[in-house]
Amino acid sequence: DTEVTQTPKHLVMGMTNKKSLKCEQHMGHRAMYWYKQKAKKPPELMFVYSYEKLSINESVPSRFSPECPNSSLLNLHLHALQPEDSALYLCASSQEGARLTDTQYFGPGTRLTVL
Amino acid sequence: GEDVEQSLFLSVREGDSSVINCTYTDSSSTYLYWYKQEPGAGLQLLTYIFSNMDMKQDQRLTVLLNKKDKHLSLRIADTQTGDSAIYFCAESSQGNLIFGKGTKLSVKP
Repeated sequence: DTEVTQTPKHLVMGMTNKKSLKCEQHMGHRAMYWYKQKAKKPPELMFVYSYEKLSINESVPSRFSPECPNSSLLNLHLHALQPEDSALYLCASSQEGARLTDTQYFGPGTRLTVL
Repeated sequence: GEDVEQSLFLSVREGDSSVINCTYTDSSSTYLYWYKQEPGAGLQLLTYIFSNMDMKQDQRLTVLLNKKDKHLSLRIADTQTGDSAIYFCAESSQGNLIFGKGTKLSVKP
């Protein structure tokens, strides 16, 4: 099973709302990632968790707040977003702690629209 | 910094072979990947190749790696309309994935 699941599939929120994106994997992977993908662009790395600890934060604004409650779950909490934050948010996981040789498996993404 | 380049578009007829090309800059990349993304969907890992290999074949997919020229290609044999998607080449660099901009493959019946 190489499945990464994400909920919700679609999310529409206002600039004053607070919402969360969820990601789950049951492959026993110890590294999990959040990416942001704008239309017609490649994914851009936002955060990496390795063994439930935040290991990489790619200078993401504080209105995005990641959380890794356990090794299977990854959340992305959203607050006071801007319309330019509208994008496809992709979660991925890999077996070990984000080493060079780890293959990343992606979820289907959450399509976020900020009004 | 590290960079991955791909042509943006490729159009083929159903039944023909498709070849998508990619060049990368990080000579220390250990793995190189091809991901497929259909409209509105996430990235599906298609195949990957270890940097000490020249070729990898998996059913209709053939990956060729020229490490000297830092050139990677993906050949899809007998291309079908269901292969229409964006194909991303990616290199693994220091634990992170560096993606190309993606090649949009259009398959005409």
